[in-house]
Amino acid sequence: GAVVSQHPSWVICKSGTSVKIECRSLDFQATTMFWYRQFPKKSLMLMATSNEGSKATYEQGVEKDKFLINHASLTLSTLTVTSAHPEDSSFYICSALGQLSTYEQYFGPGTRLTVT
Amino acid sequence: QKEVEQNSGPLSVPEGAIASLNCTYSDRGSQSFFWYRQYSGKSPELIMSIYSNGDKEDGRFTAQLNKASQYVSLLIRDSQPSDSATYLCAVEGYQKVTFGTGTKLQVIP
Repeated sequence: GAVVSQHPSWVICKSGTSVKIECRSLDFQATTMFWYRQFPKKSLMLMATSNEGSKATYEQGVEKDKFLINHASLTLSTLTVTSAHPEDSSFYICSALGQLSTYEQYFGPGTRLTVT
Repeated sequence: QKEVEQNSGPLSVPEGAIASLNCTYSDRGSQSFFWYRQYSGKSPELIMSIYSNGDKEDGRFTAQLNKASQYVSLLIRDSQPSDSATYLCAVEGYQKVTFGTGTKLQVIP
């Protein structure tokens, strides 16, 4: 149980284009999902908290107009990187909260984004 | 500023030995504590969660929590080369989870 998928697993895009990353909880409903990014050999950085049916809560310094998050259902959250730049190249990882009472997070396999 | 601190390592142990990973946290109100394992190039995987003082054992893994000292640790018995990874400590307080920067563990065959 508690399986989270992400699609695509890797993507290459050109500067100025937008990329959408999907995060799905496969065998449970996730009212809360999180989006992280991680640079090589660096720690996880929380970008935003995504709650089903409401606006995402962004961490300080994360541009909400650049990183659009939509959590339209209990099993799907999407992150769209708009007007991508090479500095947006990173490993993007989502996680889903299994149960609010335990705060255990289950991570997707991640999406490696390269912007050329 | 809520903080979770870990020694970045690398921590090198010989195969078969006990690996001891440590984590301290600053928020006394923290209630839930987690250990994640992250292989290079992969996403984190939850391996242990602990909520009350004392030890919790799961196979070769033992999590230890001391809320008075604001300290949580992970022991890996009979360490295997496949245990070589970065181990992330995560602490929940006031409905927010904060991750440490991780300790890199190297198990030497």
